[in-house]
Amino acid sequence: AQTVTQSQPEMSVQEAETVTLSCTYDTSESDYYLFWYKQPPSRQMILVIRQEAYKQQNATENRFSVNFQKAAKSFSLKISDSQLGDAAMYFCAYRSPNTGNQFYFGTGTSLTVIP
Amino acid sequence: KAGVTQTPRYLIKTRGQQVTLSCSPISGHRSVSWYQQTPGQGLQFLFEYFSETQRNKGNFPGRFSGRQFSNSRSEMNVSTLELGDSALYLCASSLTSGVAYEQYFGPGTRLTVT
Repeated sequence: AQTVTQSQPEMSVQEAETVTLSCTYDTSESDYYLFWYKQPPSRQMILVIRQEAYKQQNATENRFSVNFQKAAKSFSLKISDSQLGDAAMYFCAYRSPNTGNQFYFGTGTSLTVIP
Repeated sequence: KAGVTQTPRYLIKTRGQQVTLSCSPISGHRSVSWYQQTPGQGLQFLFEYFSETQRNKGNFPGRFSGRQFSNSRSEMNVSTLELGDSALYLCASSLTSGVAYEQYFGPGTRLTVT
């Protein structure tokens, strides 16, 4: 079964600084998608960024970017110029056609932004 | 366009009872997935429905069931509630069933079993 590991239960960053959240995954498939979701205290999960495994170029969305290392099965999220609104739980997730399109989530990283 | 809505938002039930949770997807979305979120187990997939048919099911006991109506609204039912069923239940909708399609999550239903 696919597993997603987030080894950092908690992280903190100073406002305006950069922070990187780590994620590793285990799969034998070649076609899959990776995601970072944000869950603020209000609990609504929001898609931050996604990466298709067949694309070598790392995805970016404004202040959010990923470092996708397919061979190492690593998928880290970098948040630049951190803002107070970035404080949330961040989940790394895996999804593939061979697994019925269900998400496999990591255990999450709680990010605190210090003013 | 309205987002995914879930009702009720909070629910308190007694062990042994049953409960039904509702999820209304974004208009036009035909796929609905359900997840259980607990501090200990994290987010776990329950099942996915597409066009009123269950497409995929996670590793949960038969006490957990669901269905989808012709308007794509979905319900999940948990019978004979156990204390361990206390969790945040999230549903997510997407335009269709396919890994390339983005899933949009609802705010969840917080179920407490006493």
